Amino acid sequence: GAGVSQTPSNKVTEKGKYVELRCDPISGHTALYWYRQSLGQGPEFLIYFQGTGAADDSGLPNDRFFAVRPEGSVSTLKIQRTERGDSAVYLCASSDGLATDTQYFGPGTRLTVL
Amino acid sequence: AQTVTQSQPEMSVQEAETVTLSCTYDTSESDYYLFWYKQPPSRQMILVIRQEAYKQQNATENRFSVNFQKAAKSFSLKISDSQLGDAAMYFCAYRSDSGTYKYIFGTGTRLKVLA
Repeated sequence: GAGVSQTPSNKVTEKGKYVELRCDPISGHTALYWYRQSLGQGPEFLIYFQGTGAADDSGLPNDRFFAVRPEGSVSTLKIQRTERGDSAVYLCASSDGLATDTQYFGPGTRLTVL
Repeated sequence: AQTVTQSQPEMSVQEAETVTLSCTYDTSESDYYLFWYKQPPSRQMILVIRQEAYKQQNATENRFSVNFQKAAKSFSLKISDSQLGDAAMYFCAYRSDSGTYKYIFGTGTRLKVLA
């Protein structure tokens, strides 16, 4: 595809449930980022992949959050035992992974935990 | 740890006028990149302009230019001839040039353009 896509665009779940959020990066982009954006805030870094491996996962808030990118393309952000505080827009971005890279963002997934 | 601060939650500008958005950052690194991103109400973030810290010349992209003051750790965005389509949230971001390519964003400035 021409850009980064994310599915679903909206997700409503109940407290305690498990959710998966998907990101399809731009074809050929080796770097992939996940961010969380709360209302009125800037994107907060969660995790960064270079290829299949997580190069930096220091932003994951706790062990309920996990992300994978098994084939170096599509990535899934997984949240276990969701809490109301997890409600936010989850953004994905990809880049060519070079030092001069430019991030291209997806439209985000709005997660609402009731 | 690096931080990025945007002290203007909201700014307004008359159409066709010029506006400057402020950003300061804190880092102990010498090599890094700075960015301004635009997020329209539709939510998708797009890159406006990028500055490499090793370059003394300020970056420009059409009506958008930056004033990069490395010693002062300041990185402001100037928008000339403002247009209605410029209305959006603007985020300043920092990225190290060594180790992780983790980005750190400021809290954003909402720009309103008045007709």
